[in-house]
Amino acid sequence: DGGITQSPKYLFRKEGQNVTLSCEQNLNHDAMYWYRQDPGQGLRLIYYSQIVNDFQKGDIAEGYSVSREKKESFPLTVTSAQKNPTAFYLCACSAGGINTEAFFGQGTRLTVV
Amino acid sequence: RKEVEQDPGPFNVPEGATVAFNCTYSNSASQSFFWYRQDCRKEPKLLMSVYSSGNEDGRFTAQLNRASQYISLLIRDSKLSDSATYLCVVNPMNTGFQKLVFGTGTRLLVSP
Repeated sequence: DGGITQSPKYLFRKEGQNVTLSCEQNLNHDAMYWYRQDPGQGLRLIYYSQIVNDFQKGDIAEGYSVSREKKESFPLTVTSAQKNPTAFYLCACSAGGINTEAFFGQGTRLTVV
Repeated sequence: RKEVEQDPGPFNVPEGATVAFNCTYSNSASQSFFWYRQDCRKEPKLLMSVYSSGNEDGRFTAQLNRASQYISLLIRDSKLSDSATYLCVVNPMNTGFQKLVFGTGTRLLVSP
């Protein structure tokens, strides 16, 4: 079955550590996105990628980094520079054109301990 | 002004009621519009796209008003299973690429 998979589902990080969240899709979609959701809040865009080897900052990119070396993979690194990293992280992909549906992974809950 | 604004609710309605949500967007060049549904602690899923002519899918009707820059979602004959958060989503770009901007969501609670 085609889909988009995020791992791990739950992640605990000590302060000062970098962590990498995995996002893999086999839908052959060009566009991929990372969002962050805080309790009672909407989704805020961290980074997005329109095509392999290209990505752009979203609205809250500070303290995060991404890579897009393969079409199917778009990992997100939460660095120690991110001051408030505890959140629900959602990865999505879409065919990229106007009016195309975005498909989401099941999310990763990151907690700083 | 936020790019996409929604009333957070919650909207508390009895089963069988009709309920409507509105969502306003700031960029008049916005290209495409969607409603997504998000259940508690789950990922969002597409409910329906919103077309200029309006569209209907069973008990759900979506409308777009470009002049006033808002979209709406109408749910008829509410079911308990409709309880969720409804996210308004807008693509503000006019380049052909879909950059999705989400509203904060409107929470709906349907009670017996």
